[in-house]
Amino acid sequence: DADVTQTPRNRITKTGKRIMLECSQTKGHDRMYWYRQDPGLGLRLIYYSFDVKDINKGEISDGYSVSRQAQAKFSLSLESAIPNQTALYFCATSDSANRPYEQYFGPGTRLTVT
Amino acid sequence: GQQVMQIPQYQHVQEGEDFTTYCNSSTTLSNIQWYKQRPGGHPVFLIQLVKSGEVKKQKRLTFQFGEAKKNSSLHITATQTTDVGTYFCAGRYSGAGSYQLTFGKGTKLSVIP
Repeated sequence: DADVTQTPRNRITKTGKRIMLECSQTKGHDRMYWYRQDPGLGLRLIYYSFDVKDINKGEISDGYSVSRQAQAKFSLSLESAIPNQTALYFCATSDSANRPYEQYFGPGTRLTVT
Repeated sequence: GQQVMQIPQYQHVQEGEDFTTYCNSSTTLSNIQWYKQRPGGHPVFLIQLVKSGEVKKQKRLTFQFGEAKKNSSLHITATQTTDVGTYFCAGRYSGAGSYQLTFGKGTKLSVIP
């Protein structure tokens, strides 16, 4: 969805480097999520945030941290990247006031850790 | 942890044939959603089912939620090449972690023209 943008779209980094993935949305949604997708494994939730002051761990938060800088921005950091964090990362949003169950996904960031 | 099992992992069909993907959970779901991801794309929400035994239709797509709210299916009638992609179910459980969606691993549909 063009209203949810992710930067960068592709990134190759080395083991041990710190990397930040950014997500911005113009949908006015209050809820934001970070998922990772691995081939054949579906999507797994890393972190989610229901508003600027709310951060919650998901299924696989180890090795990741997040920051909700504003309602429209939610960034994901890998403090010290490792090869098994190579994956496709998606940001998603939803609106608690209107169809809160429907999540809108960004285009994804393909991350490779060498 | 709670898991949603989805089968089959892959399905190749001739254009015009029907297609079905199934999801199962060992514990009762609060609701279940379905998403479609085109090749190289991102997941797109299709529908949410909430009620026991619920059946919803979207053109050639029929979604069902089991009576026990532990299983769900997506059936596509007379597939077209535009149906190509991976279909995911995503379940939500009651109680702690109820805000989280648990995704199945997806069924990748290929349609042979």
